[in-house]
Amino acid sequence: EVQLVETGGGLVQPGRSLKLSCVASGFTFNNYWMSWTRQAPGKGLEWVASITNSGGSTYYPDSVKGRFTISRDNAQNTLYLQMNSLRSEDTATYYCTREGLWVSSFDYWGQGVMVTVSS
Amino acid sequence: DIQMTQSPASLSASLGETVTIECRASEDIYSNLAWYQQKPGNSPQLLIYDANSLADGVPSRFSGSGSGTQYSLKINSLQSEDVASYFCQQYNNYPYTFGAGTKLELK
Repeated sequence: EVQLVETGGGLVQPGRSLKLSCVASGFTFNNYWMSWTRQAPGKGLEWVASITNSGGSTYYPDSVKGRFTISRDNAQNTLYLQMNSLRSEDTATYYCTREGLWVSSFDYWGQGVMVTVSS
Repeated sequence: DIQMTQSPASLSASLGETVTIECRASEDIYSNLAWYQQKPGNSPQLLIYDANSLADGVPSRFSGSGSGTQYSLKINSLQSEDVASYFCQQYNNYPYTFGAGTKLELK
């Protein structure tokens, strides 16, 4: 059974940093591209970052480029999201998502972790 | 960036009814489109990928269609467990973008 379990969320002040982790199980982690997607309270979905299966390439929208860094440790089956210079608009539930092997839709989602940016 | 315009924003339907949700892309996305269902308090789940392919375990009353810039999700014979929000997503180009969502309720 595929499982994605996120940790590391919480309350953080504007301008500070936070690092999210996602432990994957139930599939061969190093075969799959992985992503982070977020959802502000009561709002829609926003893609945040993607990383290739090897970790050699990463992709971001302009809203987080230069502030967020996605990375992975294939030996530990773990995906990370380092978030720096956090802003109030980064407040959201962050989901770890797996991209399909042959198609880039998100075929599995974690339960999500809440990040609140507030003073 | 590709804009995804989803309609309607909300929808009220009766059990057994057929429901259709539309999604329009600001440019051709070559069927690189997914639909997700999000039940209250839960994570989104993949329903449809590549515009018309049913994800594993998804009931056959769900179907997707469309091409170019126009896509739709149809739910046949609406069930109570289909009460949820539905989102479309394009993955043809970065940044991946989502529609604003459709909230489906029972009449």
